[in-house]
Amino acid sequence: GAVVSQHPSRVICKSGTSVKIECRSLDFQATTMFWYRQFPKQSLMLMATSNEGSKATYEQGVEKDKFLINHASLTLSTLTVTSAHPEDSSFYICSATGRENEKLFFGSGTQLSVL
Amino acid sequence: SQQGEEDPQALSIQEGENATMNCSYKTSINNLQWYRQNSGRGLVHLILIRSNEREKHSGRLRVTLDTSKKSSSLLITASRAADTASYFCATRRGNNRLAFGKGNQVVVIP
Repeated sequence: GAVVSQHPSRVICKSGTSVKIECRSLDFQATTMFWYRQFPKQSLMLMATSNEGSKATYEQGVEKDKFLINHASLTLSTLTVTSAHPEDSSFYICSATGRENEKLFFGSGTQLSVL
Repeated sequence: SQQGEEDPQALSIQEGENATMNCSYKTSINNLQWYRQNSGRGLVHLILIRSNEREKHSGRLRVTLDTSKKSSSLLITASRAADTASYFCATRRGNNRLAFGKGNQVVVIP
């Protein structure tokens, strides 16, 4: 199946710093990428949807200035958590879909811990 | 409203037994998908069933869909310790977004 690579897998940072998470589709063109946030033992909460070359669509309640999403190419999307605070600590997962547009292929997730 | 609400949410079984989990949703769907997540990892697509299908098999997985009741079930037969994971159903919303249910945590005891 299609492969989505997400880096880093784990990051620990100080409060106030910014953290960038990368999501790459390795063997297909990802027309749409999604960013999710997941708290322990809970479901995935969709944060935003990004299409290559256009602005991301954010879900209600997600601050677009806080969570910057860039989808500059058909194989790369980035999520930047700006001025991170302890409450931003969470597991962030990206996913991508190709032209088939039915199944989602997920990255392995990034565990963010803000001290 | 949240689509895809699995019940029960935690299941502990012995290796070799079958595991069944359910999912309900609220609106019309084109398809329903099941995903698996190992602890601390991303999700892996397991199976997709379309709204005009009632049952689908893939290896040891069997999925049913009842659109009149807006529910689906996932059956894992002859479970293995490696099946220990969380299982989520997902339904497609507008703009190709998938809404995930709360998830079922399955523990298979060797």
